[in-house]
Amino acid sequence: SQKIEQNSEALNIQEGKTATLTCNYTNYSPAYLQWYRQDPGRGPVFLLLIRENEKEKRKERLKVTFDTTLKQSLFHITASQPADSATYLCALDPSGSARQLTFGSGTQLTVLP
Amino acid sequence: DSGVTQTPKHLITATGQRVTLRCSPRSGDLSVYWYQQSLDQGLQFLIQYYNGEERAKGNILERFSAQQFPDLHSELNLSSLELGDSALYFCASSRGVDDTQYFGPGTRLTVL
Repeated sequence: SQKIEQNSEALNIQEGKTATLTCNYTNYSPAYLQWYRQDPGRGPVFLLLIRENEKEKRKERLKVTFDTTLKQSLFHITASQPADSATYLCALDPSGSARQLTFGSGTQLTVLP
Repeated sequence: DSGVTQTPKHLITATGQRVTLRCSPRSGDLSVYWYQQSLDQGLQFLIQYYNGEERAKGNILERFSAQQFPDLHSELNLSSLELGDSALYFCASSRGVDDTQYFGPGTRLTVL
C-alpha cells in the first residue's frame, strides 16, 4: 500500500544549528513533492515544491532534496531560529500533479534558544 | 494571512446533526480543496472543485458533500454527524488545477 513517513514525530535542536527532516514514501511515483509548515491551530503554509527531475531546491535558509531512487526527500533549515519551531509536513500527489495531496503525519520541530 | 477565509471558526454540535462549512477562496483562484485533519488520521484530502465542477475526490464519506458556487465560494456539508467527525476542516484554494495551494485558517468541528 502507499505510504508517506516522516522520520520522527518530534525533533529538538539548538538555535543556530541545521535542522534536517526526512520524508520517505513507498509505492508512489510522484512528479512533485511539497513541504508545508503548520503552526498550532492554523492552516498549513506552502514552503517549497521540488520536481522529480530536480535534485535540490533552495529558498533563503531552506533547502530541499529529492532522491527518486531512494524515494526520499530531505528538508533542511540552516541557522535555525526559535521562530522556525512548528510542524513540518511533506506532501505528494499520487496522480503526479500537485492537486490531490497526500500528507505525511509531520515532524514537530522545536528550536531551543 | 493566506487570503482564504473560512466560517465559522468553531462549531459545536450533536451526533446526528447536519452542518455547513463555508470557504471563500483567494481573489482570482478558481480551485477549491477541502481537507480534514484529525489527531489519528492526519491531514486528509476530501474533494476538489475547479470553477464550479468537481475535479478530484479523495476519501470523502457519503455523508459529506460539497459544492462550489458561481461566485467561487464553496460549502462542505456534513450530515448524520458522528463523534469521529470531530476534526479541523481546512479549505485551500489555488489559481488553476495544479497550482500551489493556499490554506485557510480552518473550522474546528466538535461533535458531542
